[in-house]
Amino acid sequence: NAGVTQTPKFRILKIGQSMTLQCAQDMNHNYMYWYRQDPGMGLKLIYYSVGAGITDKGEVPNGYNVSRSTTEDFPLRLELAAPSQTSVYFCASSSHNLGSWDSGANVLTFGAGSRLTVL
Amino acid sequence: KNEVEQSPQNLTAQEGEFITINCSYSVGISALHWLQQHPGGGIVSLFMLSSGKKKHGRLIATINIQEKHSSLHITASHPRDSAVYICAVRSIQGAQKLVFGQGTRLTINP
Repeated sequence: NAGVTQTPKFRILKIGQSMTLQCAQDMNHNYMYWYRQDPGMGLKLIYYSVGAGITDKGEVPNGYNVSRSTTEDFPLRLELAAPSQTSVYFCASSSHNLGSWDSGANVLTFGAGSRLTVL
Repeated sequence: KNEVEQSPQNLTAQEGEFITINCSYSVGISALHWLQQHPGGGIVSLFMLSSGKKKHGRLIATINIQEKHSSLHITASHPRDSAVYICAVRSIQGAQKLVFGQGTRLTINP
């Protein structure tokens, strides 16, 4: 099925460990995003990419890194996990600029989410 | 004060009722998004609008740019509409950044 695939769905890390959250989309979307969702809070943008080879920081990039070597893949790396990074992470993609008025009903396609716990 | 405020935070209604969820924002925007987060956690984009009104099935979204306010309406609500509804805005200065509200948890009882 076309869409955004995130792995893993769940992960428990120890403080200081590293890991990569994988995100892949097969819709040939140029725009890809990583968000985190903390309980009772709105989604926060971690990093985004407007195309292969181009990435930029969002609101909360500290402690994370990304790469975009292909249009399809946008992995998120946590280098030294900290309890503050316990959250649910969502990858999303879009064919259009998020401010573009010319779009259909489904602008952003989200992955199913990855629940990360750092102990 | 958050840039995007939703009300109510929680809403419980009976099947068939007309539902209204409100979103107010404090920045100049180029677009506003409504999203639905299912009980299992998945997020679906419902609408993006920059003016006027959009309709998709039983869902209607309106926006008043002058008043910095948007509403999401659900007609003939059904238990399967139970979800968290999220408003997000793209500010004029915001590049690819969306600012999200905290969400409105809607429960429709049969």
